[in-house]
Amino acid sequence: QKEVEQNSGPLSVPEGAIASLNCTYSDRGSQSFFWYRQYSGKSPELIMSIYSNGDKEDGRFTAQLNKASQYVSLLIRDSQPSDSATYLCAVLLGGGYNKLIFGAGTRLAVHP
Amino acid sequence: NAGVTQTPKFQVLKTGQSMTLQCAQDMNHNSMYWYRQDPGMGLRLIYYSASEGTTDKGEVPNGYNVSRLNKREFSLRLESAAPSQTSVYFCASIPKEGANVLTFGAGSRLTVL
Repeated sequence: QKEVEQNSGPLSVPEGAIASLNCTYSDRGSQSFFWYRQYSGKSPELIMSIYSNGDKEDGRFTAQLNKASQYVSLLIRDSQPSDSATYLCAVLLGGGYNKLIFGAGTRLAVHP
Repeated sequence: NAGVTQTPKFQVLKTGQSMTLQCAQDMNHNSMYWYRQDPGMGLRLIYYSASEGTTDKGEVPNGYNVSRLNKREFSLRLESAAPSQTSVYFCASIPKEGANVLTFGAGSRLTVL
């Protein structure tokens, strides 16, 4: 079992819709969770970080964390074609070793 | 303030050659990471250094060595390059556990013929 799992997609949504991206992780000791966006040929860029159960909103983005279910999600409201990219879930594993593991990424395509 | 600087940006090697990818950060970050990215595979952790003087294996360490030369610099060495090591390599750093700033370098594209 991979430590961080994501559906590879592609996830295709129409412009203006809500895109929902999901991630599960195996290490119950993990406390810090991140979503990165990566455009083709570019470095990943941080969108959201979340540390506590519940929702965290930032503009059109909402991160959701459920530690009991070991599940992290990212919602993108009012999706725009410029949101088309690969979204990477990252988990800082527990144990204090600062080991940061990424999922394989979900490719999102927003079509006009 | 340059952030995370990786060199070189592009490199072509022949099988069996050696090379070192250099990474330096000027943000006084504690932890540094080397990842490789292959199509459809996301970012896979090769090695990381939680703090100056320590290094640990990640998910795919075989064929690589690292050196945390000081707090700023973390190098990745391929002693005998293989075509399977053709990839894009990213260096990244983070201040401490729980911080929300993981800063990436621009990436190094390595081709092994």
